[in-house]
Amino acid sequence: GPKVLQIPSHQIIDMGQMVTLNCDPVSNHLYFYWYKQILGQQMEFLVNFYNGKVMEKSKLFKDQFSVERPDGSYFTLKIQPTALEDSAVYFCASSLAGRDEQYFGPGTRLTVL
Amino acid sequence: GDSVTQTEGQVTVSESKSLIINCTYSATSIGYPNLFWYVRYPGEGLQLLLKVITAGQKGSSRGFEATYNKEATSFHLQKASVQESDSAVYYCALSADLPGTGSNRLTFGKGTKFSLIP
Repeated sequence: GPKVLQIPSHQIIDMGQMVTLNCDPVSNHLYFYWYKQILGQQMEFLVNFYNGKVMEKSKLFKDQFSVERPDGSYFTLKIQPTALEDSAVYFCASSLAGRDEQYFGPGTRLTVL
Repeated sequence: GDSVTQTEGQVTVSESKSLIINCTYSATSIGYPNLFWYVRYPGEGLQLLLKVITAGQKGSSRGFEATYNKEATSFHLQKASVQESDSAVYYCALSADLPGTGSNRLTFGKGTKFSLIP
């Protein structure tokens, strides 16, 4: 089936540094999502993105977070600066239309030291 | 806000026996959310197992079934006869469409790990 790729699979950085998580969504999909899962907790919605704009974001989507997808390339989540509580697995998802099935990537494990 | 509660931790069942994973939900943002079961097989990404968008309807896939019960606000996952290939982590989820945008967010339970009794 359709695949969503995420790069890298694991990232370790020092607190205060910037990090960019990359997502390669399904090629014809138009809606993009980020979810966050802290160890032992459920996956939680961060943000969704369509037509170059954030459609909805949760309280977890702090001011230090930003998303973009310049010219149909990777859909990215940038955190600047990072904090210890940002350590989690971040999952990207995409869907063709807003109400369609969301296809998930394998996740990027972010460790902030 | 919205929430999903499912059978916690791990469930083990003997091969060919039945499996049930409980799921209840609370949807404060929308009256009748769409309901989903997602599954993550070992070494793979999260994938949709089944979904139901109409209260009272049943969804089925790969031998699994779940019925959208709006009175009980439940969406339990069942399979009559499990096998090794069903070993995975199962997640119950709901979606709340954001009116006017066509976009939706998923709210997940914590996941239930299923494995066969060795």
